[in-house]
Amino acid sequence: ETGVTQTPRHLVMGMTNKKSLKCEQHLGHNAMYWYKQSAKKPLELMFVYSLEERVENNSVPSRFSPECPNSSHLFLHLHTLQPEDSALYLCASSQQTGDPEAFFGQGTRLTVV
Amino acid sequence: DAKTTQPPSMDCAEGRAANLPCNHSTISGNEYVYWYRQIHSQGPQYIIHGLKNNETNEMASLIITEDRKSSTLILPHATLRDTAVYYCIVRPFNTGNQFYFGTGTSLTVIP
Repeated sequence: ETGVTQTPRHLVMGMTNKKSLKCEQHLGHNAMYWYKQSAKKPLELMFVYSLEERVENNSVPSRFSPECPNSSHLFLHLHTLQPEDSALYLCASSQQTGDPEAFFGQGTRLTVV
Repeated sequence: DAKTTQPPSMDCAEGRAANLPCNHSTISGNEYVYWYRQIHSQGPQYIIHGLKNNETNEMASLIITEDRKSSTLILPHATLRDTAVYYCIVRPFNTGNQFYFGTGTSLTVIP
């Protein structure tokens, strides 16, 4: 238990669906991150938030839309995804951006059909 | 751009020390070495980090060569629960937003 909770743990969605992934941390951290982990590929950083402001967007398609309403919650809104978007989506947090230790959630396993 | 090279897989007998190597020959003077691991179906977990001195904590020891071009993560008494993918990452300390995870070393601890 890292203190970072992601829901749902598993999600199957059609290409025309709209769904959202949720991440929550009550560690008092100011930075939150979304990562994508595809099969047999390294983790890819998608978005970085610091004090609820997006500070980095690594060329992620617009069908992925992050939202950070407060420093404890992070969402990833999904719409019109493609099968190649199927992956493990990981949320992480750290005290500040750039801290040596980031705490990861267990991830949401997303399957797009 | 992981900037590190690790063997793709290793085995270790339970109870023995696991020594995981990492090459980072292009490391810059302001870059630290970090180690994370990812147990199957879980998110990555921080293990340890260091600059040039050897470091030890409750999980592992980190040995960095004098020229800083390589390092070794040591799990002193490996258990079955240490079976995981281990990632060696270099990054400036407290700057930059991301850790570039490469493909790591898949460690299997054998009973």
